[in-house]
Amino acid sequence: GAGVSQTPSNKVTEKGKYVELRCDPISGHTALYWYRQSLGQGPEFLIYFQGTGAADDSGLPNDRFFAVRPEGSVSTLKIQRTERGDSAVYLCASSTFESGELFFGEGSRLTVL
Amino acid sequence: QQQVKQSPQSLIVQKGGISIINCAYENTAFDYFPWYQQFPGKGPALLIAIRPDVSEKKEGRFTISFNKSAKQFSLHIMDSQPGDSATYFCAASPNTGKLIFGQGTTLQVKP
Repeated sequence: GAGVSQTPSNKVTEKGKYVELRCDPISGHTALYWYRQSLGQGPEFLIYFQGTGAADDSGLPNDRFFAVRPEGSVSTLKIQRTERGDSAVYLCASSTFESGELFFGEGSRLTVL
Repeated sequence: QQQVKQSPQSLIVQKGGISIINCAYENTAFDYFPWYQQFPGKGPALLIAIRPDVSEKKEGRFTISFNKSAKQFSLHIMDSQPGDSATYFCAASPNTGKLIFGQGTTLQVKP
């Protein structure tokens, strides 16, 4: 596809359940980022991958959050034992890193009941 | 030190007017300052960006003014149009990856 693709676009789950959110970056982009955006707020950095490795995971709020990018392309954000406070739009972005411009997907809206 | 403070929270401008949004930062290690535009239900999209070696950058109707000594930068939208109605985020980064975003400004341009 031409842009960053995120699935699912919407996810409703119950408190305590496990959730996976997928990001398919722009082809050829080596850098991939996950952000979280709460209603009325700016995106909040979670984690950044350069290739397959997490270059910076300092934004992950706790050990219930984990992200992987095993082949250096598609990434999955995994949230265990979801809590109502995890409800937000999870944004994925990719870049060539050298350019500095992040291309964002439309996000996955997570609602924890 | 990681915060980027943005104002105003919301802004209403008449068509043809100038929209001005301001941001301030604390971390002197920041060296990349982009502005992103976000429409409802969409992801943010890069509008314009500046590095601290210049004080101003203009692209069409959009201008960034940068004041390194004051650690402030602003976005000016000239001849504002109803299609510019969106949420605008300033951001800053010590490198080109980990962006720290402001809280956002919701702009409404009245026809």
